[in-house]
Amino acid sequence: EPEVTQTPSHQVTQMGQEVILRCVPISNHLYFYWYRQILGQKVEFLVSFYNNEISEKSEIFDDQFSVERPDGSNFTLKIRSTKLEDSAMYFCASSVVGSNQPQHFGDGTRLSIL
Amino acid sequence: QKEVEQNSGPLSVPEGAIASLNCTYSDRVSQSFFWYRQYSGKSPELIMSIYSNGDKEDGRFTAQLNKASQYVSLLIRDSQPSDSATYLCAVRDTNAGKSTFGDGTTLTVKP
Repeated sequence: EPEVTQTPSHQVTQMGQEVILRCVPISNHLYFYWYRQILGQKVEFLVSFYNNEISEKSEIFDDQFSVERPDGSNFTLKIRSTKLEDSAMYFCASSVVGSNQPQHFGDGTRLSIL
Repeated sequence: QKEVEQNSGPLSVPEGAIASLNCTYSDRVSQSFFWYRQYSGKSPELIMSIYSNGDKEDGRFTAQLNKASQYVSLLIRDSQPSDSATYLCAVRDTNAGKSTFGDGTTLTVKP
C-alpha cells in the first residue's frame, strides 16, 4: 500500500538554526499538509498546500515557516530560525481532493531544538 | 475557533469488553469525521471515517454520527490488548482541507 514517507525520522538542531523537514506524499494525492504535535498535546494543523500554493495556514505558521514543493515528488517544511518551542513531532499528510477523503499521515519527524 | 472535544479518559476496559469513545464538535458545517489510532511516539493511523448520520461498521469498530447533536462516537467490540492506544477524533469541513483534532482518549485494554 502506498504511504507517505518523511525524512529524517529525528532531527536535532541548535536554537536559531534553520531546519528542513522532507516529505514524499502519496503519488496521486493532490493535497498536502503539515501538522505538529508537541509532546503530550494534540495534533495541530500548520498548513495545507494545493496546486502549488498554500491553501490555508494556522496562526502557528508564522513568517519563520515556509513550505515548498521543489519537484514533482517532495514537499518540504522549512523553519528559518528555530526556537525551543518548535520541538515537536512534525507530521506530513496527503489526500486526494475532497473533504470526505481521509488524510494519510507519514511516520513523522521528531524535531529536538537544543 | 473550531473545537473538538473528547472524553478525557483514560479509559480502561477488560479484554473482550466494549470500549466506547466519544467526541463532540462545535462547528455545524463540519462534514466529515475520522477516528485515528495513535500509539505512543507514532503517527495517527486511520481507523474509520463517517460522513452520514447513523452507524458505520467495519469489523470490530462501529462509528456513530449524530449531526444534530454534533456528536460522533467509536465503539470497539471484543477489545484486545493491542487496541490499547490513544484514539483521536478529527473533523473536517467542506471547504478547508485541514483536520481539527481532539486531545485524544487513551484506552487501556487489560488482559
